[in-house]
Amino acid sequence: AQKITQTQPGMFVQEKEAVTLDCTYDTSDQSYGLFWYKQPSSGEMIFLIYQGSYDEQNATEGRYSLNFQKARKSANLVISASQLGDSAMYFCAMRGGGTSYGKLTFGQGTILTVHP
Amino acid sequence: EPEVTQTPSHQVTQMGQEVILRCVPISNHLYFYWYRQILGQKVEFLVSFYNNEISEKSEIFDDQFSVERPDGSNFTLKIRSTKLEDSAMYFCASSRLAGLTDTQYFGPGTRLTVL
Repeated sequence: AQKITQTQPGMFVQEKEAVTLDCTYDTSDQSYGLFWYKQPSSGEMIFLIYQGSYDEQNATEGRYSLNFQKARKSANLVISASQLGDSAMYFCAMRGGGTSYGKLTFGQGTILTVHP
Repeated sequence: EPEVTQTPSHQVTQMGQEVILRCVPISNHLYFYWYRQILGQKVEFLVSFYNNEISEKSEIFDDQFSVERPDGSNFTLKIRSTKLEDSAMYFCASSRLAGLTDTQYFGPGTRLTVL
């Protein structure tokens, strides 16, 4: 079984500053993938970034980067230079390498509020 | 850029009624999924579908639920007799394959309200 834990129900950040959203995971799979999605108030789920368990480099996508620490089972999302449009719910999710046909297991989410 | 679409965006129904939620996955994707998000809670997996069969389903996906790919483009979720607790946002997602690196792209969701 897989489990994703996001311990920060809400985070606040000043515009243009960086913010880190925490995600820890638990799995017995040797291979797995970690994803971050953004959910604005309009409700849609937007894919942000992916990290594979065997990737040696931390993933980056524009202002998003993933601080992946495999031994600690954490995959924190770092948003640099926050913008007002970054205010949203952020979900960490995992896909295991076992027999699951690609299903994602999600964490509880973190609401990020960016202040001007 | 191709995207997953869902209709309707909002469905209101009476308890006990049947509802069908519709999705059009990205055209070259082979794996399809339904997820549910009860208001304020995390997103939960319901079912995955590949090659016209259910590949995996969660405990939530009981006999009241069914999925179908009636033609080459649509993917539907049917709830036979809705309950109050079925009120949620339902997301359809698709991915090219089901490997670890294959990103699932989500539709905008259908908000189901059961009265």
